[in-house]
Amino acid sequence: RKEVEQDPGPFNVPEGATVAFNCTYSNSASQSFFWYRQDCRKEPKLLMSVYSSGNEDGRFTAQLNRASQYISLLIRDSKLSDSATYLCVVRLFTGGGNKLTFGTGTQLKVEL
Amino acid sequence: DVKVTQSSRYLVKRTGEKVFLECVQDMDHENMFWYRQDPGLGLRLIYFSYDVKMKEKGDIPEGYSVSREKKERFSLILESASTNQTSMYLCASSFTPPEGKLFFGSGTQLSVL
Repeated sequence: RKEVEQDPGPFNVPEGATVAFNCTYSNSASQSFFWYRQDCRKEPKLLMSVYSSGNEDGRFTAQLNRASQYISLLIRDSKLSDSATYLCVVRLFTGGGNKLTFGTGTQLKVEL
Repeated sequence: DVKVTQSSRYLVKRTGEKVFLECVQDMDHENMFWYRQDPGLGLRLIYFSYDVKMKEKGDIPEGYSVSREKKERFSLILESASTNQTSMYLCASSFTPPEGKLFFGSGTQLSVL
């Protein structure tokens, strides 16, 4: 089983729709979780951290379910500019230090 | 704004060549990382460094080496380039501890022919 798994998509949604992605992780000792956004042919950029109690940043809501070992990202009122690939990142502290594992990403296409 | 600069956006090399990829960051970050990104495989860590002259292997170090002589600069070296090293290479940096906030360079698309 992969350490971090995401549905690659693409998720094609109309402008204004609400869309949600999940990301599952295999190591229950994972400590921190993040969502990154990567535009086509660009570098990844941190979108938001995921806190245990869930957190919002404008139209974006991130949630963590430790019992089922997944995190989610909800985007409300989708904009054309939200079209990108969303990468899930999991941090695990090991003997060698912090290890960040990236998912392969979920592609979102927002259409008119 | 943090800036992580990679020396080349596109690079074409021949099999067997020695290849140097350079990365410079301007935020005095202790940690620097080299990843490669391939379709369907995501980002995979090649090497990272948490201090000058220090280096640690990531998940896929074979065929690569690194150099960090100055805090702001982290170089990735392909000793003898092979076609399976054709990929997008991304450099990143962060403060200590790295937590989850990495700042990435814009990437180098390397093609090995």
